[in-house]
Amino acid sequence: LAKTTQPISMDSYEGQEVNITCSHNNIATNDYITWYQQFPSQGPRFIIQGYKTKVTNEVASLFIPADRKSSTLSLPRVSLSDTAVYYCLVTEGDTGRRALTFGSGTRLQVQP
Amino acid sequence: EAGVTQFPSHSVIEKGQTVTLRCDPISGHDNLYWYRRVMGKEIKFLLHFVKESKQDESGMPNNRFLAERTGGTYSTLKVQPAELEDSGVYFCASSQVSNPSSYNSPLHFGNGTRLTVT
Repeated sequence: LAKTTQPISMDSYEGQEVNITCSHNNIATNDYITWYQQFPSQGPRFIIQGYKTKVTNEVASLFIPADRKSSTLSLPRVSLSDTAVYYCLVTEGDTGRRALTFGSGTRLQVQP
Repeated sequence: EAGVTQFPSHSVIEKGQTVTLRCDPISGHDNLYWYRRVMGKEIKFLLHFVKESKQDESGMPNNRFLAERTGGTYSTLKVQPAELEDSGVYFCASSQVSNPSSYNSPLHFGNGTRLTVT
């Protein structure tokens, strides 16, 4: 499984756009990229998933360059409630094996 | 739609005792996963059920851990006997469908069971 690397922490202010980049240099052809959000005392919650180019939903956008060796989660106009840990995972598309390790994630702190 | 529920939310037991964790997946979800975060470390995969069958149990740490999913509905994870290093948060997740083309359907997690072994 491709190992992912993302910043340990980020700080932002309400109303700003936040971009969290994840590196996955060894991503395989059939792998997908998935992002989860986790609040304290809760389980991770799915945010967005993509394979290539750009994916957008009501919560976030995911940008994936052509080489797919990295991806960027974009959160538009964050609020205090977006303070959480964000995990980038790579999932094997062929076998369905789920990322065995979530990694350390990125702890986002949004301030007023 | 009810989410993934886990019971109990907290459990404190003594070393050597037995504990059974329960997970009720979202209705209709064939895939059920167990993960755990031990001592503030990263969340790690334990095993994966497709209906009642164990698809992948490569993450199970040792034979003190036994997972079952009778009837393909709820699942239990038993730790017997519990050791201090088993303390942590145990998460259950489920996802829809089981055909290979849909393996990347999102995981829906429960809020976990916090296990403390003293």
